[in-house]
Amino acid sequence: DAGVIQSPRHEVTEMGQEVTLRCKPISGHDYLFWYRQTMMRGLELLIYFNNNVPIDDSGMPEDRFSAKMPNASFSTLKIQPSEPRDSAVYFCASSPFGEGRGDTQYFGPGTRLTVL
Amino acid sequence: GDSVTQMEGPVTLSEEAFLTINCTYTATGYPSLFWYVQYPGEGLQLLLKATKADDKGSNKGFEATYRKETTSFHLEKGSVQVSDSAVYFCALGGSGGSYIPTFGRGTSLIVHP
Repeated sequence: DAGVIQSPRHEVTEMGQEVTLRCKPISGHDYLFWYRQTMMRGLELLIYFNNNVPIDDSGMPEDRFSAKMPNASFSTLKIQPSEPRDSAVYFCASSPFGEGRGDTQYFGPGTRLTVL
Repeated sequence: GDSVTQMEGPVTLSEEAFLTINCTYTATGYPSLFWYVQYPGEGLQLLLKATKADDKGSNKGFEATYRKETTSFHLEKGSVQVSDSAVYFCALGGSGGSYIPTFGRGTSLIVHP
């Protein structure tokens, strides 16, 4: 398996523009997670899906952020409008169904977003 | 709520030195415990895990034992290499039936030749 695939790997945009980050999870995994990593705040969970359904989006910082998972093999994280404080590395991770006690997460390589 | 506390870094060692990175946790119930490693420019990847008390996870010379009595999961390696330089994250998952994982802040390890 190719692992979790994220695109683009790097994104530079100007404040106010719309940004869309993409993720393809590992086939057969039931869970998909979106994280944001910054030096100041560390690794933050933004939202996670189970079988394409959003379960918990309490980590989404504000209404400018939205995430979708239209099918089992694709998810997007959208920021509209983007702001400089959104600059971070965004990771997608997927996980197989475990025994309900938390299972291994498989991370993608991340998208480094810079908002000017 | 659940939380994971790791020792602050960076940890700087010479090659072949002994490594310990401390990790303690608070959780409801009996979570699984994980160590992830992040190399520069990459995503996190699983290093080792333990699913119940007294289990020992091991991989690539790294070890950690799930200590329920001290709520700890310290990472150790007997002889580090330059290639071990990375950021190490302690994490717990599945606490109290929740699927939401909890990560520590990460500890940077720098190994000098």
